[in-house]
Amino acid sequence: SQKIEQNSEALNIQEGKTATLTCNYTNYSPAYLQWYRQDPGRGPVFLLLIRENEKEKRKERLKVTFDTTLKQSLFHITASQPADSATYLCALSYNFNKFYFGSGTKLNVKP
Amino acid sequence: DTAVSQTPKYLVTQMGNDKSIKCEQNLGHDTMYWYKQDSKKFLKIMFSYNNKELIINETVPNRFSPKSPDKAHLNLHINSLELGDSAVYFCASSQDRGGVAGELFFGEGSRLTVL
Repeated sequence: SQKIEQNSEALNIQEGKTATLTCNYTNYSPAYLQWYRQDPGRGPVFLLLIRENEKEKRKERLKVTFDTTLKQSLFHITASQPADSATYLCALSYNFNKFYFGSGTKLNVKP
Repeated sequence: DTAVSQTPKYLVTQMGNDKSIKCEQNLGHDTMYWYKQDSKKFLKIMFSYNNKELIINETVPNRFSPKSPDKAHLNLHINSLELGDSAVYFCASSQDRGGVAGELFFGEGSRLTVL
């Protein structure tokens, strides 16, 4: 079965720096790879989607890359702010509405 | 105006009881889901319905029974609750993009505690 690995250790960075989060997967590449943000006690919120034939996607301070050879996606937040502190989940989606989620990486941005 | 709403937000009950969680979406999406998030934060799909039809049924005990009266509603009924059922249950919806689901819109979650 598909395994998705995100760094379980929290990522602590200083405000203004770029945060880079990693999502690795095994087996076959998904049609889409998505990133979500989850705050404590809340549901995940969609951030970005990248297709298997796309290398990079940007939205404001966010950037996602997708390397199907390495079976890896990187999620970058530039000029990070304390308000970016949250858990970030990657999700792989395949045909027939199947989504597989990683366990998330907690990001702490210190002022 | 909440897009995906689920009730109740908190549920504390005894082992062996039966409970239900309700979900409604006002986004006009075709597909709805139930996910379970355990203490390690893994979000695991349980069920998916597309236009009231069950399309995904992961290896979930048959004590869990979903019901979709219409495409805007998806309820989850759990019989004979066990300690291991304690988790946060999330409802979500999505709109199909040519056979592959688009992004998921989640509710706020229902935290179930079984004592």
